[in-house]
Amino acid sequence: GDSVTQMEGPVTLSEEAFLTINCTYTATGYPSLFWYVQYPGEGLQLLLKATKADDKGSNKGFEATYRKETTSFHLEKGSVQVSDSAVYFCALSHPGNTPLVFGKGTRLSVIA
Amino acid sequence: EAGVAQSPRYKIIEKRQSVAFWCNPISGHATLYWYQQILGQGPKLLIQFQNNGVVDDSQLPKDRFSAERLKGVDSTLKIQPAKLEDSAVYLCASSSLDETECFGPGTRLLVL
Repeated sequence: GDSVTQMEGPVTLSEEAFLTINCTYTATGYPSLFWYVQYPGEGLQLLLKATKADDKGSNKGFEATYRKETTSFHLEKGSVQVSDSAVYFCALSHPGNTPLVFGKGTRLSVIA
Repeated sequence: EAGVAQSPRYKIIEKRQSVAFWCNPISGHATLYWYQQILGQGPKLLIQFQNNGVVDDSQLPKDRFSAERLKGVDSTLKIQPAKLEDSAVYLCASSSLDETECFGPGTRLLVL
């Protein structure tokens, strides 16, 4: 079945550092890919998504590119802030209201 | 628009007791999902409804878990009897046709 693999956390960075969180997937067909963020004590929020190969999703300075050849959707941000501290989940789903399949999540801590 | 509402936010029970969680999806969203998120893991689908019909409950432990969505709006998830391993965050999400899922804040369950 479908699966998503994320890099193990936690990741600790200094403010203004460059962030990469790796995500690879296994799926049949052409899934849509997502990054969700979970801030402490809050629910999951959609951060960005891409629906087809070579699409780039972006939001709040974060971006990720759908790479079908490497089955990857790595999350990047050029300069992280303390407020970016959260758990980040990579996920996929297929068209037609199919449920999301999530990775295990990567906890990011940004220190001033 | 109002988001997905869930209650209670927190619940502590002893093993073998029963518990129920409630979800009110975004108005007009026909699809409703319940996910279980165990600490340190990504959310995993328990059950998916389309209006008031079940689309997928293959991962629902039916010997102790049950869910319903009367009238195709609100939904209730019940556990009876609870086990220690049921300690988790229970997330409700909803979506309209081919739209991205929106998540509620979750109910954090601790079984002692």
